Amino acid sequence: AAGVIQSPRHLIKEKRETATLKCYPIPRHDTVYWYQQGPGQDPQFLISFYEKMQSDKGSIPDRFSAQQFSDYHSELNMSSLELGDSALYFCASSLEGGGAHNEQFFGPGTRLTVL
Amino acid sequence: AQSVAQPEDQVNVAEGNPLTVKCTYSVSGNPYLFWYVQYPNRGLQFLLKYITGDNLVKGSYGFEAEFNKSQTSFHLKKPSALVSDSALYFCAAMDTGRRALTFGSGTRLQVQP
Repeated sequence: AAGVIQSPRHLIKEKRETATLKCYPIPRHDTVYWYQQGPGQDPQFLISFYEKMQSDKGSIPDRFSAQQFSDYHSELNMSSLELGDSALYFCASSLEGGGAHNEQFFGPGTRLTVL
Repeated sequence: AQSVAQPEDQVNVAEGNPLTVKCTYSVSGNPYLFWYVQYPNRGLQFLLKYITGDNLVKGSYGFEAEFNKSQTSFHLKKPSALVSDSALYFCAAMDTGRRALTFGSGTRLQVQP
């Protein structure tokens, strides 16, 4: 079965640079979520989109932005990178039409290292 | 604000023995509860969920979880542990009206042969 695809899988950036992470949800899933997992930490919710509109916002820094496109893929844009942004970034997708609280399916993650 | 607590950083169990990974939650309204497993350098894999109905929920790989409203707990259980069950387990909650998951701190399960 198709899974959530994230690219790139690994990314190394310098401080103050920008990064763009991409997420391709499971086909027909209408909701995308972004989570950040620091070393030894639990995943922290950043932001989500339902039918291409922002549906919820968590602890996403102002330096980060995200959007969901017409084909439902999503991109997380990160600017002015800081050392503390080094983490594993997960994208998840679910089918939420009708308000069902369905399980979220997670991608393999993008490991961002900021030097 | 909702929160999830996993009181044990690590659980050790011998292969073939039953296992329990503990989780308690604090959410407003009716809770939606989930268990996920994370293997090294991998994403989170869904195990099971409680939305409503029967308090005993059965999931993937022989895992089950018991929802206890009075104790606000959602413990993960398996009758007979396998070495391959060794991984990091996360309990998560979803508040009514939101779709974001709040995760516990995770419990590392180590199953010894």
